[in-house]
Amino acid sequence: GDSVTQMEGPVTLSEEAFLTINCTYTATGYPSLFWYVQYPGEGLQLLLKATKADDKGSNKGFEATYRKETTSFHLEKGSVQVSDSAVYFCAMEVNAGGTSYGKLTFGQGTILTVHP
Amino acid sequence: EAQVTQNPRYLITVTGKKLTVTCSQNMNHEYMSWYRQDPGLGLRQIYYSMNVEVTDKGDVPEGYKVSRKEKRNFPLILESPSPNQTSLYFCASSLRGLAEYEQYFGPGTRLTVT
Repeated sequence: GDSVTQMEGPVTLSEEAFLTINCTYTATGYPSLFWYVQYPGEGLQLLLKATKADDKGSNKGFEATYRKETTSFHLEKGSVQVSDSAVYFCAMEVNAGGTSYGKLTFGQGTILTVHP
Repeated sequence: EAQVTQNPRYLITVTGKKLTVTCSQNMNHEYMSWYRQDPGLGLRQIYYSMNVEVTDKGDVPEGYKVSRKEKRNFPLILESPSPNQTSLYFCASSLRGLAEYEQYFGPGTRLTVT
């Protein structure tokens, strides 16, 4: 079945370090891919998305490229800040015949802690 | 202010006592969903709805019911709660399909079933 797998965490970095969080997917159709971020005590917020192969999503210095050949959507940031400390979720929506039904599958989440 | 609201935010209940968690959005969104979040499992979709009177099961629908009689409301009903339904629940909405429109999440409802 359809699934999303994220690298195991938690991830602890120093400020200004480079961040990579791996995400791979298994899908029967052609998914749209998303990264969501959850700050402590809050709901999720959309961070970025990509809807077709080779698309790059970007927001707030974060980037992820939709790689169909490796079924991956890794999240990267060149220089993290303390304020980036949060839980990051990779997610996908598999569209049936191009129609979005709103059915979203999430990875297990990766806790990121950034120290000054 | 555009938002998704959930009530209650915290609830402690006992096994078998029916409960409803309400969800409301003021953005005229067509799509709405319920998720549960458990440590190490991420978020799992319980039910989703594309519009009024159109609902479908997500990945973990057992033990839950929903209804969508009005566009703005999407209540989650637990007819006979059990301890394995102890979790953090999120409601979310989007104008339409997720590839084009952002999904907005409510603040969450923390449910404990003893």
